[in-house]
Amino acid sequence: RKEVEQDPGPFNVPEGATVAFNCTYSNSASQSFFWYRQDCRKEPKLLMSVYSSGNEDGRFTAQLNRASQYISLLIRDSKLSDSATYLCVVRPNNAGNMLTFGGGTRLMVKP
Amino acid sequence: DTAVSQTPKYLVTQMGNDKSIKCEQNLGHDTMYWYKQDSKKFLKIMFSYNNKELIINETVPNRFSPKSPDKAHLNLHINSLELGDSAVYFCASSRFPEETQYFGPGTRLLVL
Repeated sequence: RKEVEQDPGPFNVPEGATVAFNCTYSNSASQSFFWYRQDCRKEPKLLMSVYSSGNEDGRFTAQLNRASQYISLLIRDSKLSDSATYLCVVRPNNAGNMLTFGGGTRLMVKP
Repeated sequence: DTAVSQTPKYLVTQMGNDKSIKCEQNLGHDTMYWYKQDSKKFLKIMFSYNNKELIINETVPNRFSPKSPDKAHLNLHINSLELGDSAVYFCASSRFPEETQYFGPGTRLLVL
């Protein structure tokens, strides 16, 4: 089983749609969680951290379910510019700053 | 005003050659990293340096040797390149080991 698993997609949605991605992680001792965004042929960039209580940043909402070991990302009112690959990232508690990346979920927002 | 830069952007070379990729950050960060992203898009850490000292060394062939001449630079030297080394290599940096990592634009390596 991979340490961080994501549905690779692609998710094809129309502009204005709401779309949600899930990610599961295997290490129950994991401490920190993030969503990164990677555009085609570009570097990953931090989208948002994921806190235990859930957090929101504009149209983006991230949630953590420690009991089930999954993280979600909800995007409301999708824009064309949201088209990218979304990477779920986990930092295990005992791994210093070693980040473990999922394979990413590709989102394509169509006009 | 580039934060994390890498050179070269593209590298095409023959099997068996030795090559280096350079990374520089102007953010004043203490910690730098090298990642490999393979054809299936999985991003895996290779090395991490904090204040020029190695702190993470994942299972990477010893053909790969990082070198940090100072806090702002972390170069990656690869000996005897193999076909399987073809990938995108990303450098990253963070202020401290626990802080947000900022990635460079990547170096696309193709070994023929």
